[in-house]
Amino acid sequence: DVKVTQSSRYLVKRTGEKVFLECVQDMDHENMFWYRQDPGLGLRLIYFSYDVKMKEKGDIPEGYSVSREKKERFSLILESASTNQTSMYLCASSFLGREQFFGPGTRLTVL
Amino acid sequence: GESVGLHLPTLSVQEGDNSIINCAYSNSASDYFIWYKQESGKGPQFIIDIRSNMDKRQGQRVTVLLNKTVKHLSLQIAATQPGDSAVYFCAERGSGGYQKVTFGTGTKLQVIP
Repeated sequence: DVKVTQSSRYLVKRTGEKVFLECVQDMDHENMFWYRQDPGLGLRLIYFSYDVKMKEKGDIPEGYSVSREKKERFSLILESASTNQTSMYLCASSFLGREQFFGPGTRLTVL
Repeated sequence: GESVGLHLPTLSVQEGDNSIINCAYSNSASDYFIWYKQESGKGPQFIIDIRSNMDKRQGQRVTVLLNKTVKHLSLQIAATQPGDSAVYFCAERGSGGYQKVTFGTGTKLQVIP
C-alpha cells in the first residue's frame, strides 16, 4: 500500500513563527502536492512538485514556500505564520497524473 | 478533519439502501475523474476513477457514471453501510501539460442505522 506520512497530526504555533510541515511518501511517486482544507472551501492547492528540486505554484501560494530536495520528501514552509493560516494541511503524492494518495493531514493552529 | 463536513450538502440514506452522490464538473477538456472518501479526522482516500473514454466503471459496491454531454459525474454505493458515512469528493483532471486536478467541495453522506 502507498503510504504518505506527515510529520505532525496537530500543531500549535504563534504568529510570526516559522513553521515546517514535512511529508514523506514511500512509493517513488514523481508528483507531490500540498493542499489546505477549510470548511466550505474544499481542497485548495498551495504548491506542487513534479520532480526533485522542481516546484510550481498552485492556487494559493502566498505566504508559503516549499522544498523538495529528495524524491520522497516534500516540505511546506510558512515563513511567518499568521492566524489566517490556521487550517488543515494535506500532503498528497501521485504517479504521472494518476490518482493522488493523501496523508492523514496536519491541523495547524496559529495563535 | 471534523470540520470538513460543515457547510456541505448532506445526503441521508437508510442502511442497506443504495446511495447516489452527484457531481458537476466544469472543464469539458478534463480527461480523468476520481472519487475520494474522507472520514472524520482522516485524509481523503481514493475510491474509484474513470477516464473520459468510458461511461461507466464498477468497483466493489461502487459504480461511477460519467455523462460528458452534461458534464456530470455520479457515484453509486450499493447496500450502504454505516462505515460509508463520510464526505465524498469528486475530482477532475485537465488534459495536457501538468494536468492539474480540481476538487469539488464535497457531499456529506450520513447513513442511518
